[in-house]
Amino acid sequence: GAVVSQHPSWVICKSGTSVKIECRSLDFQATTMFWYRQFPKQSLMLMATSNEGSKATYEQGVEKDKFLINHASLTLSTLTVTSAHPEDSSFYICSATGGYTDTQYFGPGTRLTVL
Amino acid sequence: SQELEQSPQSLIVQEGKNLTINCTSSKTLYGLYWYKQKYGEGLIFLMMLQKGGEEKSHEKITAKLDEKKQQSSLHITASQPSHAGIYLCGADIRSQGNLIFGKGTKLSVKP
Repeated sequence: GAVVSQHPSWVICKSGTSVKIECRSLDFQATTMFWYRQFPKQSLMLMATSNEGSKATYEQGVEKDKFLINHASLTLSTLTVTSAHPEDSSFYICSATGGYTDTQYFGPGTRLTVL
Repeated sequence: SQELEQSPQSLIVQEGKNLTINCTSSKTLYGLYWYKQKYGEGLIFLMMLQKGGEEKSHEKITAKLDEKKQQSSLHITASQPSHAGIYLCGADIRSQGNLIFGKGTKLSVKP
């Protein structure tokens, strides 16, 4: 089946620094990638939808200048959390769709802890 | 190995018919979440279940979590074309808050 990877799997950073999270589709071309955020014991929250080669579409309430998304190729999307603060600590998950299916394939997630 | 089994993989029903989607784990589910994905869009949160025997309803969709907290079912009554999409269950099986997901059920409703 289709595989989506995320890197890093976990990251700890200091407040005020920026962190980049990569999402890769390993064996298919992902025309669309989704970025989700999950708070402990809560549901996923869709942050943004990114289509290859175009600007990401952000959900209401998500700061696009803080969560920079780039989907420069059909196999890679990146989420950069700029000037991270402790309240940004969360579990970030990406998913990807592509090819002939609308099935979303999820990455394993990245746990971000901001000190 | 797949820790969360979802069935069926796909389902085609006539409008007005009832249907059930199942989500099963061999481990205790500390939280079970149901999502719906419309084609080309992100996931939409439907319901969350945490307690054994819990049942929640929203409009014509009912979700249940069994007493052993290892199986959940999503039941749609009198299906409509607007119910079409991919239904996904997600579960917290490690009590750490991170979710794992089933493979989804693609539902088509024939008018």
